[in-house]
Amino acid sequence: DSGVTQTPKHLITATGQRVTLRCSPRSGDLSVYWYQQSLDQGLQFLIQYYNGEERAKGNILERFSAQQFPDLHSELNLSSLELGDSALYFCASSVRARSDEQYFGPGTRLTVT
Amino acid sequence: DAKTTQPPSMDCAEGRAANLPCNHSTISGNEYVYWYRQIHSQGPQYIIHGLKNNETNEMASLIITEDRKSSTLILPHATLRDTAVYYCIVRGYNYGQNFVFGPGTRLSVLP
Repeated sequence: DSGVTQTPKHLITATGQRVTLRCSPRSGDLSVYWYQQSLDQGLQFLIQYYNGEERAKGNILERFSAQQFPDLHSELNLSSLELGDSALYFCASSVRARSDEQYFGPGTRLTVT
Repeated sequence: DAKTTQPPSMDCAEGRAANLPCNHSTISGNEYVYWYRQIHSQGPQYIIHGLKNNETNEMASLIITEDRKSSTLILPHATLRDTAVYYCIVRGYNYGQNFVFGPGTRLSVLP
């Protein structure tokens, strides 16, 4: 158990819909990262927040957005969902903005039908 | 970030050492080598990292060649629970550099 929690574990929704994935980092961690893992693209970095501020952006689509709240939990919002958005979404956390060790949560499996 | 090349799969007998190679011939001076692993569909797990010296922790050893163009992750006594995909990642410390996960090596520990 990494100490990072993600909800929900599974999510099934239809194309065109919008969903929100939630992540609670380990106690004391200020940085939160979001990753997407699909069968054809592998594990891809989406975005990072550090202490409430966006820190780095990766291959995140414009239909996706994220934020980190004052209590440091983070949400990833996915809108206008397409079949290709079906994937495992992982959240990770670390103490600093540039930590060597990121602690990954168990992931949310999103299925878009 | 420098690109890494790993064999797609490897087998190892339980109890033996597992040696996972990684090529990173374009690594630059300020880039570190990291190893993570992912067991089934769980979240990836940090294993070890290093710059140029060999490193060891409770999980594994990391051997980096003198020219830093390749490295080897060593699991000294592999168990069935070490069956996973192992990712070798090279990352620097400049702003905007994050972990880039490639396809990794699928290690199967056989009984």
